[in-house]
Amino acid sequence: KTQVEQSPQSLVVRQGENCVLQCNYSVTPDNHLRWFKQDTGKGLVSLTVLVHENDKTSNGRYSATLDKDAKHSTLHITATLLDDTATYICVVGHNTNTGKLTFGDGTVLTVKP
Amino acid sequence: GGIITQTPKFLIGQEGQKLTLKCQQNFNHDTMYWYRQDSGKGLRLIYYSITENDLQKGDLSEGYDASREKKSSFSLTVTSAQKNEMAVFLCASSIQISNERLFFGHGTKLSVL
Repeated sequence: KTQVEQSPQSLVVRQGENCVLQCNYSVTPDNHLRWFKQDTGKGLVSLTVLVHENDKTSNGRYSATLDKDAKHSTLHITATLLDDTATYICVVGHNTNTGKLTFGDGTVLTVKP
Repeated sequence: GGIITQTPKFLIGQEGQKLTLKCQQNFNHDTMYWYRQDSGKGLRLIYYSITENDLQKGDLSEGYDASREKKSSFSLTVTSAQKNEMAVFLCASSIQISNERLFFGHGTKLSVL
């Protein structure tokens, strides 16, 4: 059973539009949740990390929320640019002692002109 | 800032061949990781190392060996490449195992003929 489920699997938007990516998980314990961006053929780059119940973060045009009760996170991208085309990966950290992480399969975002 | 360098960028092997992938980091991080990324799937941990000469098995260690002879380098060996195997191997590092902020290399793309 997939422990970190991301939706949608893929998404196409027009430049300038906003979009929302979802992440639902069943991992326990859930110490933190991090969103990564992966450009094609590149490594993962961290966008934001959420730690506390009902955490909200903002990093430029990226903002994220975490609801630990519902085990659900969202990543909002505002006013998308062509360079936002990438795979966005949700990762749940179990606890800091072991460093164990569970990765989602990713959402492939394509931004068209 | 630091950088993680993976070599080679692309690796083509034959079935049954032993193949070695290399990773170097200049962050002076203690912990290093090898992940496997299959197309459209989440990353899976193969091996990690919390310090020089340390090795810990991940969820996918069977069929692989690893070596951490220096703090700055971590190599991964595919002991016997499987026919038609295709995956990207990502190396990452973090300050310590308890620090959840991972920095990734750009990956080595493996194709087995």
